[in-house]
Amino acid sequence: GDSVTQTEGQVALSEEDFLTIHCNYSASGYPALFWYVQYPGEGPQFLFRASRDKEKGSSRGFEATYDKGTTSFHLRKASVQESDSAVYYCALGDNAGAKLTFGGGTRLTVRP
Amino acid sequence: NAGVIQTPRHKVTGKGQEATLWCEPISGHSAVFWYRQTIVQGLEFLTYFRNQAPIDDSGMPKERFSAQMPNQSHSTLKIQSTQPQDSAVYLCASSWTTNTEVFFGKGTRLTVV
Repeated sequence: GDSVTQTEGQVALSEEDFLTIHCNYSASGYPALFWYVQYPGEGPQFLFRASRDKEKGSSRGFEATYDKGTTSFHLRKASVQESDSAVYYCALGDNAGAKLTFGGGTRLTVRP
Repeated sequence: NAGVIQTPRHKVTGKGQEATLWCEPISGHSAVFWYRQTIVQGLEFLTYFRNQAPIDDSGMPKERFSAQMPNQSHSTLKIQSTQPQDSAVYLCASSWTTNTEVFFGKGTRLTVV
């Protein structure tokens, strides 16, 4: 079945550091890939998506590029802020574009 | 737009009791989803409806769990004979249709004691 693996369970950075969260997927076909962010007491919020090889998704300074060759969709941000502290989830959509399969999540803590 | 509304936000039930969770999707959205979130299992898909019809319930436990969508403005998730392992945050979500941005509610935290 489909699966998503996020390598880092927790990441701790200082403000203005560069962020990378690694995401690799396993799925048949050509799934859409997503990043979601979750703040305490809230449901996950859509950040962005990409649907085809080499497509870059971006939002709020975060970006990721769909790489079918390495089955990856790594999240990056050049300069993090304390307000970026949250849990980030990589996800893939099924062929119908409905059901989402989430990775285990990465808790990002940014120190001021 | 108040977003996806879930009630109650917190629910405590005794083992063996029934729990009903409510969801009001965003007006006009045709796809409604239920997910479960736990520390151990993370975010898991349970079921989804499109235009009120059940489409995929592949994530629903076969016993004790059921979901309905009697009209376009609300959906319910019912758990019969609740067990401690059912304790989780249950998230409802909706989208205009499939393949579009999914909006999640704040969730209902269910605790079975």
